[in-house]
Amino acid sequence: DAKTTQPTSMDCAEGRAANLPCNHSTISGNEYVYWYRQIHSQGPQYIIHGLKNNETNEMASLIITEDRKSSTLILPHATLRDTAVYYCIVSLMRRGGKLIFGQGTELSVKP
Amino acid sequence: EPEVTQTPSHQVTQMGQEVILRCVPISNHLYFYWYRQILGQKVEFLVSFYNNEISEKSEIFDDQFSVERPDGSNFTLKIRSTKLEDSAMYFCASSDPGRSPGTTQHFGDGTRLSIL
Repeated sequence: DAKTTQPTSMDCAEGRAANLPCNHSTISGNEYVYWYRQIHSQGPQYIIHGLKNNETNEMASLIITEDRKSSTLILPHATLRDTAVYYCIVSLMRRGGKLIFGQGTELSVKP
Repeated sequence: EPEVTQTPSHQVTQMGQEVILRCVPISNHLYFYWYRQILGQKVEFLVSFYNNEISEKSEIFDDQFSVERPDGSNFTLKIRSTKLEDSAMYFCASSDPGRSPGTTQHFGDGTRLSIL
């Protein structure tokens, strides 16, 4: 599985968009980009995933560059409850595949 | 929304004792996983389980660890002789092969295991 690089921490003002970057320059053609988050003392929570097209769901948007070497997770209107560690994971989409978590980005949403 | 539930939320055990951590995955899921997170460190994969057998395991998952699906609803992790370094948060997860094949995993809120 490809390695990812994320900033250690970021701040965001409540109500503003949070843009979390991730570099995955060694991604292979059949690997997907997944985002999970972990709110303090809870289990990881799935947010979104994509292969090469931009994706949007009720939680967030995922923008993947054309060369697929980096991506950005966008929380359009961050709230205090979005304060968490956000993990960018690159993985083959195979049944029963394990997730390899890095250190992630600690996002602090401030009032 | 269906949830993965784990019990107990906190388990305190003497070193050398056996411990069983319990999980109830989402009912129609077929793939099950255990991960652990030592305080202040990354979430680490331990084992995946499908069709009543281990699909994949990490180097952490040595002979002291075992998993079982004793009935149609529970999924357990057993540590036979606990060590101080087994102190961690243990997360159970499950996934539904009918949707994204496997990797959209749903996690429980974990069991905090403290070894004294």
